[in-house]
Amino acid sequence: GESVGLHLPTLSVQEGDNSIINCAYSNSASDYFIWYKQESGKGPQFIIDIRSNMDKRQGQRVTVLLNKTVKHLSLQIAATQPGDSAVYFCAESNAGNMLTFGGGTRLMVKP
Amino acid sequence: ETGVTQTPRHLVMGMTNKKSLKCEQHLGHNAMYWYKQSAKKPLELMFVYSLEERVENNSVPSRFSPECPNSSHLFLHLHTLQPEDSALYLCASSHSRDRGQPQHFGDGTRLSIL
Repeated sequence: GESVGLHLPTLSVQEGDNSIINCAYSNSASDYFIWYKQESGKGPQFIIDIRSNMDKRQGQRVTVLLNKTVKHLSLQIAATQPGDSAVYFCAESNAGNMLTFGGGTRLMVKP
Repeated sequence: ETGVTQTPRHLVMGMTNKKSLKCEQHLGHNAMYWYKQSAKKPLELMFVYSLEERVENNSVPSRFSPECPNSSHLFLHLHTLQPEDSALYLCASSHSRDRGQPQHFGDGTRLSIL
């Protein structure tokens, strides 16, 4: 049969708008979470991380929110730019610093 | 110079060939990782090295053989691979394996098995 690639959900936003990318994680014991950005032809690039003793952390134009009750993580990008177009992955880890990655979300920014 | 460098960037090999992927990190980190990224699955951890000792082998077939001669270099030796092994192979490093250490990735080797 024909091979089917991993289907990535896509978020399409207008340049200048805010973007929100969501992620559900699976392991309630996970205590560290990271967001990565992957552009075509490149490896994942670290954006921002958060530990489980926090529920919000801000960086430059990015904010990560953590809701441990429902095991949900989100990445907010303010004033989205064309250079933000990429695939975004969340990852979770606990002991041993081994990361488990989500399937990714493709962000497309319309000029 | 980028923090984590992988060579070659692209590799095409037959199923009977033997080749090696190389990773070098310039970040002074003590832990290094191999991941596989294919079109069909999320990023999968393959191997973990800490202070040059292999600490994790995530049920990877023996046709993949890692080597870590020092804390800056990591290799992945390949032999008798299968078509389903075609993927992007990513190397990463972190300061240690302690909780909460971000991993920094190279740009990967795109491997195609004929």
